[in-house]
Amino acid sequence: DTAVSQTPKYLVTQMGNDKSIKCEQNLGHDTMYWYKQDSKKFLKIMFSYNNKELIINETVPNRFSPKSPDKAHLNLHINSLELGDSAVYFCASSQVVSGVTDTQYFGPGTRLTVL
Amino acid sequence: RKEVEQDPGPFNVPEGATVAFNCTYSNSASQSFFWYRQDCRKEPKLLMSVYSSGNEDGRFTAQLNRASQYISLLIRDSKLSDSATYLCVVNPQTGGFKTIFGAGTRLFVKA
Repeated sequence: DTAVSQTPKYLVTQMGNDKSIKCEQNLGHDTMYWYKQDSKKFLKIMFSYNNKELIINETVPNRFSPKSPDKAHLNLHINSLELGDSAVYFCASSQVVSGVTDTQYFGPGTRLTVL
Repeated sequence: RKEVEQDPGPFNVPEGATVAFNCTYSNSASQSFFWYRQDCRKEPKLLMSVYSSGNEDGRFTAQLNRASQYISLLIRDSKLSDSATYLCVVNPQTGGFKTIFGAGTRLFVKA
């Protein structure tokens, strides 16, 4: 069974469109994340959710809106897509034990291309 | 100064070589440290956690120096399959859910 899954794997869309990426984990973790990896391969955290609550929002434009319907799911909705949004988006999950983040498990990534 | 900095690479080494990567971090209160590996067009995967006492897993050895705020990864007897990008990862604060990834060091192992 896939531990962290994301859909879709590829997403090609026009500027100005709205799109969503879904993420699910079956590891029983309390914490989930969204990362963006740009063309320079730099992996940067966007959001972190713990028990469905937003914990971290790393100065991401408000066109990006995460939603966590339950602990196992963290979706990402993007409004009014821009060229600069083209990147690979990774979902991840982990346990946080005594305030310390344990191993993060990543989904396979969603490669978003904005034309 | 960046929160996590790594050797820029790329490192090009022959099979069987020993190669070492260093990573420095800026927050002295950082709590946990990891090395992840990322293959081309794949997701990052944990290679090993880094403990204060240092730890070894087969050909891989990780060490942490809190006083100097750096961690290292040593790969002995390099294999072709070790070719990948190695990411240094630091969790900078207690009670935080923030994780900082280094920019990665690219390793090419050649026959």
